[in-house]
Amino acid sequence: QVQLVQSGAEVKKPGTSVKVSCTASGYSFTSYGISWVRQAPGQGLEWMGWISTYNGNTNYALKLQGRVTMTTDTSTSTAYLELTSLRSDDTAVYYCGRQQGDYGDYYFDYWGQGTLVTVSS
Amino acid sequence: SYVLTQPPSVSVAPGQTARITCGENNIGTKSVHWHQQKPGQAPVLVVYDDTARPSGIPERFSGSNSGNTATLTISRVEAGDEADYYCQVWDSSSDHPVFGGGTKLTVL
Repeated sequence: QVQLVQSGAEVKKPGTSVKVSCTASGYSFTSYGISWVRQAPGQGLEWMGWISTYNGNTNYALKLQGRVTMTTDTSTSTAYLELTSLRSDDTAVYYCGRQQGDYGDYYFDYWGQGTLVTVSS
Repeated sequence: SYVLTQPPSVSVAPGQTARITCGENNIGTKSVHWHQQKPGQAPVLVVYDDTARPSGIPERFSGSNSGNTATLTISRVEAGDEADYYCQVWDSSSDHPVFGGGTKLTVL
């Protein structure tokens, strides 16, 4: 069965970086893109960016450009999200989602369990 | 750029029908997808491509999309349906998803 398993919770100080992983199983990793979506406490879903697991192409949300990097390791079917220069408003649960559908019309059919990142001095 | 408008909350008694709307100009020309998120859990896809249901999602969940409004309908609502529901489309011009603000469904 398809599973996306994320790394554990992190506590970080402002100005530092965090790297979250998302390991896929149960399907061909390079056949589906991966998006990262975060959710601040009590808030809605915010898309951060997506990566093509086929060729590594990325598309990042404008507000995060310069601070976010998404990568993959196809040998371990793992996607990574790195966020730098952390601020308190980066405190959120971070989710990876598998992109399903046709080019230009994707949706998320499977989600990781979420990773809580807390930014606090 | 799309802005998907959802009501912040919807309340319904058990056994009744809940309707959650997602509004945007000409949304009927897009495919709309719906995600359910229970407290403390990851989202779960409940409807995709306007009307289709993933395997394992009860038939009580259905979707429609026309004109300026897409609707998620939950028939015979149960206490376990209490959750936040998010609509989502893909903005092909900027190649990224857009989420609605979410609707909290309360079962009275």
